[in-house]
Amino acid sequence: KAGVTQTPRYLIKTRGQQVTLSCSPISGHRSVSWYQQTPGQGLQFLFEYFSETQRNKGNFPGRFSGRQFSNSRSEMNVSTLELGDSALYLCASSQTTGPSGEQYFGPGTRLTVT
Amino acid sequence: AQSVAQPEDQVNVAEGNPLTVKCTYSVSGNPYLFWYVQYPNRGLQFLLKYITGDNLVKGSYGFEAEFNKSQTSFHLKKPSALVSDSALYFCAVRPSTSGTYKYIFGTGTRLKVLA
Repeated sequence: KAGVTQTPRYLIKTRGQQVTLSCSPISGHRSVSWYQQTPGQGLQFLFEYFSETQRNKGNFPGRFSGRQFSNSRSEMNVSTLELGDSALYLCASSQTTGPSGEQYFGPGTRLTVT
Repeated sequence: AQSVAQPEDQVNVAEGNPLTVKCTYSVSGNPYLFWYVQYPNRGLQFLLKYITGDNLVKGSYGFEAEFNKSQTSFHLKKPSALVSDSALYFCAVRPSTSGTYKYIFGTGTRLKVLA
């Protein structure tokens, strides 16, 4: 099976712009989660989607949003970019619906905001 | 507040020696526990998990982890370290009670295996 894919892998944007990141989960996986990884804050949970519904949400401002499509592919959007949004954004998919399932991570999208 | 602690930012070990990467947690109930590894410029890879049962869990690449309920710890171990084990290791916890299943990650421990 193909792994989790994320596009684009690298992105450079300027402050004030918006950005959309895409994630394709492993085939058959219906849960998709997003994380922000920075050297200072580590891994921070953004949100989780299951069957097109947001099931969990982290403590991020409303500028961060996401959605999931009927084929389980997911996108996250960040509007009005700030310098502090520079980070590695990781997407992860899971086969199980409960909390015992492990997650499979994509390689991430490296976002740089200038 | 629920939290996961990885008290060591970095662990250095000589190749061939046993290694331990520590993790303690503060989560109510009986959480599910995970270890992930991250190599440079890559996403996280699942290593192993504890759900229930035997306190010693075996995972990928010869790693194992010991669950200790009384000490609320879940330390990652390997009997003989390899240079290729050098990476960033994350401990993660997920509450088992219904409701939120958010992962809580530790801050990561960088393992450096010296040849």
